[in-house]
Amino acid sequence: DTEVTQTPKHLVMGMTNKKSLKCEQHMGHRAMYWYKQKAKKPPELMFVYSYEKLSINESVPSRFSPECPNSSLLNLHLHALQPEDSALYLCASSLAIHQPQHFGDGTRLSIL
Amino acid sequence: AQSVAQPEDQVNVAEGNPLTVKCTYSVSGNPYLFWYVQYPNRGLQFLLKYITGDNLVKGSYGFEAEFNKSQTSFHLKKPSALVSDSALYFCAVRLNTGGFKTIFGAGTRLFVKA
Repeated sequence: DTEVTQTPKHLVMGMTNKKSLKCEQHMGHRAMYWYKQKAKKPPELMFVYSYEKLSINESVPSRFSPECPNSSLLNLHLHALQPEDSALYLCASSLAIHQPQHFGDGTRLSIL
Repeated sequence: AQSVAQPEDQVNVAEGNPLTVKCTYSVSGNPYLFWYVQYPNRGLQFLLKYITGDNLVKGSYGFEAEFNKSQTSFHLKKPSALVSDSALYFCAVRLNTGGFKTIFGAGTRLFVKA
């Protein structure tokens, strides 16, 4: 069992749909991350929230919109995605900069 | 440019034999170093970290890693491999100059044969 919970586990959507990915942790971690991972590749950082404020945006297209409603929740809003956006989307959290990240099991996203 | 290299795409080892998964890094300053493992259809799981102190770090599931500052390496080791160790392993570096950005290596697939 992981301590970072991601929902849904699988998502299939059309290019015109709007959907959201959710991530939740109750470990008191103040940094939360979104990563995109293609098969057999390392995770690619998308966004970092530190103390509920966006601190890193790795030049991600605007069709991905992150939101951090509180210290335990992280959302990723999706709109007008492209087929190349199909991937595993991982959420992670960490207590401090020198502490490891705890990853959820991801949402596997398929764009039709 | 700051980078992490895992020179082997795949490592094959027989069960019971020692294993080594290699990692070298090129960053400015003193980095924080991590190893993570990923099983199919799962997220990454933390194995061990080096922050400061002893160069030999012990982690989860019998894994250890040796930090070598002069060679800028952080190789992952295990004295006796198990079939269940077969997975994808990532070396990662986090800069201690501020921010929470982590640089991941490309990953090494470990295959342990029974």
